[in-house]
Amino acid sequence: GNSVTQMEGPVTLSEEAFLTINCTYTATGYPSLFWYVQYPGEGLQLLLKATKADDKGSNKGFEATYRKETTSFHLEKGSVQVSDSAVYFCALSNDYKLSFGAGTTVTVRA
Amino acid sequence: GAGVSQSPRYKVAKRGQDVALRCDPISGHVSLFWYQQALGQGPEFLTYFQNEAQLDKSGLPSDRFFAERPEGSVSTLKIQRTQQEDSAVYLCASSVGGASYGYTFGSGTRLTVV
Repeated sequence: GNSVTQMEGPVTLSEEAFLTINCTYTATGYPSLFWYVQYPGEGLQLLLKATKADDKGSNKGFEATYRKETTSFHLEKGSVQVSDSAVYFCALSNDYKLSFGAGTTVTVRA
Repeated sequence: GAGVSQSPRYKVAKRGQDVALRCDPISGHVSLFWYQQALGQGPEFLTYFQNEAQLDKSGLPSDRFFAERPEGSVSTLKIQRTQQEDSAVYLCASSVGGASYGYTFGSGTRLTVV
């Protein structure tokens, strides 16, 4: 079956630091890969996605590249802001269902 | 509406009580999903509707859980004879199609069974 493993948190960073959240997956076929973000008090929001190998998804300064050879989809941002404090979820889908990782809590301090 | 609306936002139920959770998807979104999110975990799939048809209910944890979407718009997730292990956040999401289009999630209903 499908599964997603992501870096355990919590992660605490200073503003302008570099952020990486590791995500690896197990899936049949060629899934689409996603990062969702949950800001405090809000619902899950799609941050970025990639639908095939070597695709790079990007949004709001975040990037992730679909690496089929390492079954990974690591999230990166070069310079975080306090407003990036949130819970980040890696997810995959072969069809209509999403399979999520456990989430990584990121706190950015001024 | 502009987003997916869920109500109530919080629900406290006594063990054994029945509860009903409501989801108003984005108008025109044919796909509707329910997920269950336990504390500190990622969301887990419960069920999927395409318009009024429930195409997948494989994630419903027991026959105490029932979902419906009779007119292809608003959906209700019902839990009968609630148990403590049902305590979780229940998330509804809608989409114009499958997951690759991206889901729009509601803010969820936090159910606490005491």
